[in-house]
Amino acid sequence: GDSVTQMEGPVTLSEEAFLTINCTYTATGYPSLFWYVQYPGEGLQLLLKATKADDKGSNKGFEATYRKETTSFHLEKGSVQVSDSAVYFCALSRKNTDKLIFGTGTRLQVFP
Amino acid sequence: NAGVTQTPKFRVLKTGQSMTLLCAQDMNHEYMYWYRQDPGMGLRLIHYSVGEGTTAKGEVPDGYNVSRLKKQNFLLGLESAAPSQTSVYFCASSVPGQGTDTQYFGPGTRLTVL
Repeated sequence: GDSVTQMEGPVTLSEEAFLTINCTYTATGYPSLFWYVQYPGEGLQLLLKATKADDKGSNKGFEATYRKETTSFHLEKGSVQVSDSAVYFCALSRKNTDKLIFGTGTRLQVFP
Repeated sequence: NAGVTQTPKFRVLKTGQSMTLLCAQDMNHEYMYWYRQDPGMGLRLIHYSVGEGTTAKGEVPDGYNVSRLKKQNFLLGLESAAPSQTSVYFCASSVPGQGTDTQYFGPGTRLTVL
């Protein structure tokens, strides 16, 4: 079945460091791919998405590119801030289903 | 515009007790979902609804029931709570699309079953 695999955390970085969180997926066809973020004590909110191969999603300085050849959707940010500390979830949705399949989440901790 | 709200925020139950979690959305979304979040397992879909009066099973439906009597509300029931149902429960809603649409999440309900 469809699945999403994320790198285990926590990821600990100093402020202004470069961030990469790896995400790979297994799915038939061409799913849509998402990154959701969960700040402490809150629900999930969409960070960015890409709906077809080679699309790049971006928001708040974060980017991820839909790579069909490597079945990946890695999240990157050039310079992280303390306020980026959160749990990040990679997810996929197959066309015509509207059901999300989540990875296990990666906790990011940024220290000043 | 409150988005997606959940009631209650916290609850402690004893084994065998019952309860209902309420989810409400004011965005006129057709689709609604209930997830549970457990450490190291991400979010797993319990039940979902594609419209008023309809419900369907998700990945982990056992021990739960749901109802969607009104478009804006989606209720999750536990008839006889078990310690394995200790979790954080999230409700979400979305516009029906083709798998490309954003889901909007509530703030969660933390349930502990003793």
